[in-house]
Amino acid sequence: GEDVEQSLFLSVREGDSSVINCTYTDSSSTYLYWYKQEPGAGLQLLTYIFSNMDMKQDQRLTVLLNKKDKHLSLRIADTQTGDSAIYFCAEILSYNTDKLIFGTGTRLQVFP
Amino acid sequence: NAGVTQTPKFRVLKTGQSMTLLCAQDMNHEYMYWYRQDPGMGLRLIHYSVGEGTTAKGEVPDGYNVSRLKKQNFLLGLESAAPSQTSVYFCASRNSGTEAFFGQGTRLTVV
Repeated sequence: GEDVEQSLFLSVREGDSSVINCTYTDSSSTYLYWYKQEPGAGLQLLTYIFSNMDMKQDQRLTVLLNKKDKHLSLRIADTQTGDSAIYFCAEILSYNTDKLIFGTGTRLQVFP
Repeated sequence: NAGVTQTPKFRVLKTGQSMTLLCAQDMNHEYMYWYRQDPGMGLRLIHYSVGEGTTAKGEVPDGYNVSRLKKQNFLLGLESAAPSQTSVYFCASRNSGTEAFFGQGTRLTVV
C-alpha cells in the first residue's frame, strides 16, 4: 500500500530535543519532505532530503534517512514553544512521480 | 505573488447540496492536488492533475469531481454533499522535482 505512518502525538519539555519518526512505503522514493502545520494554517515546507543522502542538517533541524528500513526522522534541537504544531512527512513515489503522499501527521506539544 | 489561493475559506452545506472549491496558483506549476485532512488520518489525496486538461484519481476520489481547464486553476466539485465530506480541504501545487506549496485550506461542514 501507500501508507506513510507516523505516531500521532509527541510531548516534550522546552529546551529538550524532539524526534519525530516516519515510516514510508517506497524504498526507491527520490524525495522525502517534512512539512509543518500550525493551527488553522496550511502546510509549510520545513526541510527535505534526497534519497542519495543519509543525513541533512539545517540549523536546529536534523533529518536522518534509513533507506533499508524505509525510516525517516526529524530531530529538532532546543525545542521551543513556537515549534508546537503538526509535522507531516511526505514522499514522492518512484513508480509514480506525480503523486505526493503524506503521513498521518505528528502533533508536537512543547510545554515549559 | 499570492502563491496558492483557495476560495472559499469556510462553507456550510446542507446534505445533498452541491458546491465547487476553487484553487488558483500563480507559480506556473504543472502539478496540482486536492487533499482532505481529517483528525488522525493525515492528508489524503482526492484527485490530482499533472497538467492543463488532465486529471487523475487519488486515494479517496468517490463523491468528488475535478477539472483543470486552465493551468492555473484546479476546481474540486461536490455534486451531492454528504456529512462524511465534512473536512478541511487543501490544495497544493508543484513542479516535477520540487516541493509542494499549499493553500490555506477550506473548512467545509455538511449538515
